[in-house]
Amino acid sequence: QVQLVQSGAEVKKPGASVKVSCKASGYTFTSYDINWVRQATGQGLEWMGWMNPNSGNTGYAQKFQGRVTMTRNTSISTAYMELSSLRSEDTAVYYCARAVVTGADYWGQGTLVTVSS
Amino acid sequence: DIQMTQSPSSLSASVGDRVTITCQASQDISNYLNWYQQKPGKAPKLLIYDASNLETGVPSRFSGSGSGTDFTFTISSLQPEDIATYYCQQYDNPWTFGQGTKVEIK
Repeated sequence: QVQLVQSGAEVKKPGASVKVSCKASGYTFTSYDINWVRQATGQGLEWMGWMNPNSGNTGYAQKFQGRVTMTRNTSISTAYMELSSLRSEDTAVYYCARAVVTGADYWGQGTLVTVSS
Repeated sequence: DIQMTQSPSSLSASVGDRVTITCQASQDISNYLNWYQQKPGKAPKLLIYDASNLETGVPSRFSGSGSGTDFTFTISSLQPEDIATYYCQQYDNPWTFGQGTKVEIK
């Protein structure tokens, strides 16, 4: 069965970077884009960007341009999202999601990133 | 970017009631509209894709309609397990989500 398993919770200081992983199984990793969506506590869903695991091509939301980098390691079917220059407003649960033409059909369990001095 | 305006932000209804949520896009998105259900502490779950198509395994009491800029999501008979927050999402490039509707039992 399709699964996306994310890395564990992180606590970071302001100004630091965080790298969240998303390991895919149950399907051909290079056949579907991976999108990243975040959700601050009690807030809605915010799309961050996408990555094509086959080509490595990416597209980022304007809000995160210059601070986010999405990469992959196809040999271990894992996608990564790195966010730099962290601030308190980046405290949120970060989700990876497999994208089909019509949206996101499978999601990771989420990774809580806490930014605190 | 395309903005999605979802309403209401919350609602309270009785078991068995018909529940309706609306979503309006800031420009024509054809039928590029999904609906997700999110329960506390869980990832969103896709319920409806292409505005009106039920994802496999989703109960038939959930439905969606609309095209262009105006969309509707309906639960025909609210069940206790439907307590959740529901989001619309347009998937024209890039993705954007509505603000969410929290559904509670009266």
